[in-house]
Amino acid sequence: DTGVSQDPRHKITKRGQNVTFRCDPISEHNRLYWYRQTLGQGPEFLTYFQNEAQLEKSRLLSDRFSAERPKGSFSTLEIQRTEQGDSAMYLCASSLARASGGPWGQFFGPGTRLTVL
Amino acid sequence: AQSVTQLGSHVSVSEGALVLLRCNYSSSVPPYLFWYVQYPNQGLQLLLKYTSAATLVKGINGFEAEFKKSETSFHLTKPSAHMSDAAEYFCAVSDNGGNDMRFGAGTRLTVKP
Repeated sequence: DTGVSQDPRHKITKRGQNVTFRCDPISEHNRLYWYRQTLGQGPEFLTYFQNEAQLEKSRLLSDRFSAERPKGSFSTLEIQRTEQGDSAMYLCASSLARASGGPWGQFFGPGTRLTVL
Repeated sequence: AQSVTQLGSHVSVSEGALVLLRCNYSSSVPPYLFWYVQYPNQGLQLLLKYTSAATLVKGINGFEAEFKKSETSFHLTKPSAHMSDAAEYFCAVSDNGGNDMRFGAGTRLTVKP
């Protein structure tokens, strides 16, 4: 399978604990995005990377959230001191940005569902 | 900033009937528009995208959408619904080539036998 993969698919944690999610994009894609989706809503943009550089962060991304893409391939999203309001589906997407042409659309992974008790 | 509004959080059709899911956009520049489908416990799958090449865009699974600038709309249609079309559908807009993408709240499509 050459699509976007995310791990784990489900995570249950207690309030105050730290969690980390991983995303592996489509191999030739240079852009990687993180979204959060709550029940009954569309995905909300959190942040995106072009190669290893984090180019934009939403105001939704509080100081407790941090994302990395150290080698321009996979990415991790860490949430520190989780709160019940962090419970959501966390989606990763990737795309190929070129100098011309496109847009090619973003390709999404299956998501990681986080439940904070 | 760009945004989309999806009219109707739930749409129910009979199998074989026309599917029409509505999306209106707001953008200060010519937009790029997308429709995605999401099945339960899965990520979003791209159905089709508008990139100014043609106003009528054909996508996967028999879906198509028409860009109407005068109405700021990008409605999704399918002539004949199938049971497997039951899912959540999201319209999205971007004004910079798909980077800063804003999603609508989604429309849940139910297909009755």
